[in-house]
Amino acid sequence: AQTVTQSQPEMSVQEAETVTLSCTYDTSESDYYLFWYKQPPSRQMILVIRQEAYKQQNATENRFSVNFQKAAKSFSLKISDSQLGDAAMYFCAYRTSLLKGAQKLVFGQGTRLTINP
Amino acid sequence: ETGVTQSPTHLIKTRGQQVTLRCSSQSGHNTVSWYQQALGQGPQFIFQYYREEENGRGNFPPRFSGLQFPNYSSELNVNALELDDSALYLCASSRTGETGETQYFGPGTRLLVL
Repeated sequence: AQTVTQSQPEMSVQEAETVTLSCTYDTSESDYYLFWYKQPPSRQMILVIRQEAYKQQNATENRFSVNFQKAAKSFSLKISDSQLGDAAMYFCAYRTSLLKGAQKLVFGQGTRLTINP
Repeated sequence: ETGVTQSPTHLIKTRGQQVTLRCSSQSGHNTVSWYQQALGQGPQFIFQYYREEENGRGNFPPRFSGLQFPNYSSELNVNALELDDSALYLCASSRTGETGETQYFGPGTRLLVL
């Protein structure tokens, strides 16, 4: 079974600075998808960024980018120019690429990010 | 394009009761997944529905059941509620058949069992 581990329960960063959130995962599959979701106090889980394992290029979305190290099974999220609105719980998630069976997400425990003004 | 909606937003029940939570999928999506998120934890997969049939299930007992309707909306039913069922219940919709389809979440239903 796949597992996802986020080793940083809490992180804080000064506004406008850069922060990196860590995620490692375990799988025997060679093709899969990785996601970062953000959950603000409003509770709604919002997709931040997605990475396909077969792509060597790291995904980027504006101020958000990932460092995907497939051999090390590591998938970190970098947030540049941090803004107050980035404060939230961040979850790393894994999803199989297999078409048979449920396309379920396996989540890590989350990292609470605080932005200091 | 409308997003994923869930109802109700909050619910209080007593132990032993039954509850039904509802989810309307995003326009164009045909698959609904349900997750349970205990306080301070990551979401745990309950089950997924595609074409009105259960397409996979997590480690939850049979008293957790669901339905998907022809319009792709879905219900989660929980019988014989226990105190540990208190959690945020998240619904996510996606479009099966698209490569690497992404799941988009609703705002959740907060269930408190007393």
